[in-house]
Amino acid sequence: EVQLVESGGGLVQPGRSLRLSCAASGFTFDDYAMHWVRQAPGKGLEWVSGISWNSGSIGYADSVKGRFTISRDNAKNSLYLQMNSLRAEDTALYYCAKCTKGQLEPYAPLDYWGQGTLVTVSS
Amino acid sequence: DIQMTQSPSTLSASVGDRVTITCRASQSISSWLAWYQQKPGKAPKLLIYKASSLESGVPSRFSGSGSGTEFTLTISSLQPDDFATYYCQQYNSYFTFGPGTKVDIK
Repeated sequence: EVQLVESGGGLVQPGRSLRLSCAASGFTFDDYAMHWVRQAPGKGLEWVSGISWNSGSIGYADSVKGRFTISRDNAKNSLYLQMNSLRAEDTALYYCAKCTKGQLEPYAPLDYWGQGTLVTVSS
Repeated sequence: DIQMTQSPSTLSASVGDRVTITCRASQSISSWLAWYQQKPGKAPKLLIYKASSLESGVPSRFSGSGSGTEFTLTISSLQPDDFATYYCQQYNSYFTFGPGTKVDIK
């Protein structure tokens, strides 16, 4: 059974940093691209970032480019999101999601999602 | 950037109704469109990919159609488990999600 378990969320002040983690199991992690998607409270889904199976290709939404860094450790079956210079508008539930393909491009749908970790940016 | 719109934003329907949700892209995305279902407090679930391909395990009452800029998700006979919010997503260039359509009980 595919499982994706996010962690690392919490309350953080504007301008500070936070690192999210996603532990994957139940599939061959290093065969697939992985993504972060967020959802602000009561709002829709927003893609944040994606990374190919071998970290050779990475993409970011314009809203986080230059502030967030995605990475993965295939030996640990883990995905990460380093979030710096956090803003109030980054407040959201952050989902880790598995892609149906290994390459980042062309992009492909997301077939498994974690339950999310909540990030709240507030003073 | 490709923008996605959905209509309606809310849809009230009864069990057994045929339901259709429309998704439009700001430019052609060929058939690179997926549909997701999200229930309150839960993660999204992939229903349809490549505009009309049914994800494994998804009931056959769900179907998708369209290409280019206009797409539809149809539920042939609405079931109690189908009351949820539905999102379209383009994956022709990066990812963009539509704003969602909430299907609630009439």
